[in-house]
Amino acid sequence: GAVVSQHPSWVICKSGTSVKIECRSLDFQATTMFWYRQFPKQSLMLMATSNEGSKATYEQGVEKDKFLINHASLTLSTLTVTSAHPEDSSFYICSAPWTSGRANTQYFGPGTRLTVL
Amino acid sequence: QKEVEQDPGPLSVPEGAIVSLNCTYSNSAFQYFMWYRQYSRKGPELLMYTYSSGNKEDGRFTAQVDKSSKYISLFIRDSQPSDSATYLCATHLPGGYQKVTFGTGTKLQVIP
Repeated sequence: GAVVSQHPSWVICKSGTSVKIECRSLDFQATTMFWYRQFPKQSLMLMATSNEGSKATYEQGVEKDKFLINHASLTLSTLTVTSAHPEDSSFYICSAPWTSGRANTQYFGPGTRLTVL
Repeated sequence: QKEVEQDPGPLSVPEGAIVSLNCTYSNSAFQYFMWYRQYSRKGPELLMYTYSSGNKEDGRFTAQVDKSSKYISLFIRDSQPSDSATYLCATHLPGGYQKVTFGTGTKLQVIP
């Protein structure tokens, strides 16, 4: 299957600082990527759709000025959590859609655990 | 009503048992169905992918979709302790870059 990587795998930061998370598709190109957050014992919640060459699309209730998304190339999307606060502590996961013939699915990165002190 | 409903469990079974995991969905336009396995503190791993109704088998895993009743299932035969994880059903509309809608996930524990 296709491979998606994320960096860093975990990060601890002080309140008020900004944190950047990278998502890369390693063996395929992705003009679209998705960013999710997951709280303990809960399912994934879609935050935004990252589009190469255009602005990201944010889900209702997600602050676009707080969660900055940049889709720099066909294999890289970044999520920057600006002025992070403890309530932003969560598990952030990206995914990239992969299509082959009629197969149409998404592959996920390993996730980034953010802890804001 | 949520678009995808899934019993969160937890579900505990003895090693070797057949496990049945199920989801229901509300939007009849959904055509692509997936099952993901997620270990604690890891990203979801694609297990099975099916298109429209029918069965698909891969080793010990069988995915089943019944579009008439909007019901999707994952069967695990000869369950192993390494199968202990949270299993998420997922679906999306036709198209290359559609958003995926997930169930809440069912936590499975296989007891040696």
